Amino acid sequence: KQEVTQIPAALSVPEGENLVLNCSFTDSAIYNLQWFRQDPGKGLTSLLLIQSSQREQTSGRLNASLDKSSGRSTLYIAASQPGDSATYLCAVPGGSGGYQKVTFGTGTKLQVIP
Amino acid sequence: DTEVTQTPKHLVMGMTNKKSLKCEQHMGHRAMYWYKQKAKKPPELMFVYSYEKLSINESVPSRFSPECPNSSLLNLHLHALQPEDSALYLCARSQPGPQFFGPGTRLTVL
Repeated sequence: KQEVTQIPAALSVPEGENLVLNCSFTDSAIYNLQWFRQDPGKGLTSLLLIQSSQREQTSGRLNASLDKSSGRSTLYIAASQPGDSATYLCAVPGGSGGYQKVTFGTGTKLQVIP
Repeated sequence: DTEVTQTPKHLVMGMTNKKSLKCEQHMGHRAMYWYKQKAKKPPELMFVYSYEKLSINESVPSRFSPECPNSSLLNLHLHALQPEDSALYLCARSQPGPQFFGPGTRLTVL
């Protein structure tokens, strides 16, 4: 059974700092890895998707990397802003259930202090 | 149009009520998903429909009954729920590839 862990569980940083969020998964037979943000009580907003054959994806101030062999992904946020405050989740489809069997990580709650 | 819409936004129901949650997407994506999310926890997969057929049921209790009448619409029928079923219910679509989520329905069972 796929298990996905995110470290740290919570993070508080001053505005302007660069930061790294971590995602680890136990089953490397994944199709892709997707990063989301979730604001309190809201749905999930897709940030980046990395295909299993890729190493990195970038969107604006966000950069996500994937090392499938070691079961790790990182989300790098440059020059953090108060608007980045949210919970960040990684999600991996794959394993015995195929690409539709999606397992979410435990989440990192980020607070950016002005 | 990348939207997934969900109605209602909020729902309060008693344990003897029957209600339904609705999800719509107009991208023609093949797969549609229902997730349940409790407070401070990640979403948990409940059901997946692929080409309008149920492809994954994550051992969800029968008081939750999914339905996919067409490629744009996904319903979740609720009956005889328990207070512990109170949660945010999220719908998502995919091609496959990236998943796109709706805003969710906040369900409270009294």
